[in-house]
Amino acid sequence: KQEVTQIPAALSVPEGENLVLNCSFTDSAIYNLQWFRQDPGKGLTSLLLIQSSQREQTSGRLNASLDKSSGRSTLYIAASQPGDSATYLCAVRPMGETSGSRLTFGEGTQLTVNP
Amino acid sequence: DTEVTQTPKHLVMGMTNKKSLKCEQHMGHRAMYWYKQKAKKPPELMFVYSYEKLSINESVPSRFSPECPNSSLLNLHLHALQPEDSALYLCASSRFGLAENIQYFGAGTRLSVL
Repeated sequence: KQEVTQIPAALSVPEGENLVLNCSFTDSAIYNLQWFRQDPGKGLTSLLLIQSSQREQTSGRLNASLDKSSGRSTLYIAASQPGDSATYLCAVRPMGETSGSRLTFGEGTQLTVNP
Repeated sequence: DTEVTQTPKHLVMGMTNKKSLKCEQHMGHRAMYWYKQKAKKPPELMFVYSYEKLSINESVPSRFSPECPNSSLLNLHLHALQPEDSALYLCASSRFGLAENIQYFGAGTRLSVL
């Protein structure tokens, strides 16, 4: 059974700092890995999706990497801002799923960026 | 437009009530999902619809009854719920059958069962 772990569970940094969030998964047979952001009481916003054949994806100040063989992904946030404060979730899509997409989520990292 | 719209935003119901949650998307997505999320926990998949047919039911109790009347609309009918069913209910949609199928989420319905 696929298990996804995110470290740390919570992180507090001063504004302007570069930071890394970690995600690990136990089964490397995945189609892709997706990073989401969730603000308190709100839905999930997709940030980046990395296909299993890719090594990284970038969007603005965000960069996500994937090392499928070792079962790890990182989300790098450059020059953090208070508006980046949220919970960040990673989710993997297992191979073999053709009818829809069963995602397995990690527990999330709660990020606070202090002004 | 990458919007998934959920109504209502908040719902309070008694254990004997019948209510429905609604989800709508106009992105042409043919896969739609219901998730349940408890506080400080990740979303848990409940149901998946593919081309308006139920393809995944994650052993959800029958007091939750999903319905997909057309390709843009997904409902979740609620009946005889328990207080432990109080949670944020999230709807999502994605393109079907592609490796790159980003799931787009709605803002959720906050459900309280008294």
